[in-house]
Amino acid sequence: ETGVTQTPRHLVMGMTNKKSLKCEQHLGHNAMYWYKQSAKKPLELMFVYSLEERVENNSVPSRFSPECPNSSHLFLHLHTLQPEDSALYLCASSQDWGQGTSPLHFGNGTRLTVT
Amino acid sequence: GIQVEQSPPDLILQEGANSTLRCNFSDSVNNLQWFHQNPWGQLINLFYIPSGTKQNGRLSATTVATERYSLLYISSSQTTDSGVYFCAVEPYSGAGSYQLTFGKGTKLSVIP
Repeated sequence: ETGVTQTPRHLVMGMTNKKSLKCEQHLGHNAMYWYKQSAKKPLELMFVYSLEERVENNSVPSRFSPECPNSSHLFLHLHTLQPEDSALYLCASSQDWGQGTSPLHFGNGTRLTVT
Repeated sequence: GIQVEQSPPDLILQEGANSTLRCNFSDSVNNLQWFHQNPWGQLINLFYIPSGTKQNGRLSATTVATERYSLLYISSSQTTDSGVYFCAVEPYSGAGSYQLTFGKGTKLSVIP
């Protein structure tokens, strides 16, 4: 049990579908993150939310749309994805965000396949 | 941006052996963390260690910030230690952008 829960664990979607990934943290943290892990590449930071405000957006295509309704929940809305978007999407949280950011705690990830 | 290099890329150990994993980084850092990703994809934070030495059971880590490297020691390895070990660093930045940059990882296989 990691304290960060992601659903679904696996998702297969067509290029014209719309789906959402959900993340919930039970740790009382103030910052939440979306990372993408593709085969043979380092983890890539996509978005950071601190106290429900987006503070980082790493040139992610608009077909990925994050939402943070409160400090415990984070969503990643997906639409018109491409096959190269197939990857493991990881949610993480930390107590705070900023210089010397505190330890990251990851969820189990959503394995996304775009057909 | 900051470069993070991990070595070796792959490592095979007999159960019970010891090992040292290395992380070199190209610039001064505020923050360094070690993670273990198990074969099912779960990433666990092992150490938050911007400098100094820490120990947790059979694992220990040392970061020498002035020389820009960190080492992760695994003693008496077990098959459950298999997986990929990642180092991640956050560079000093006056621009207000605080991001962890991950290395490519060391893939460890412990065989019985």
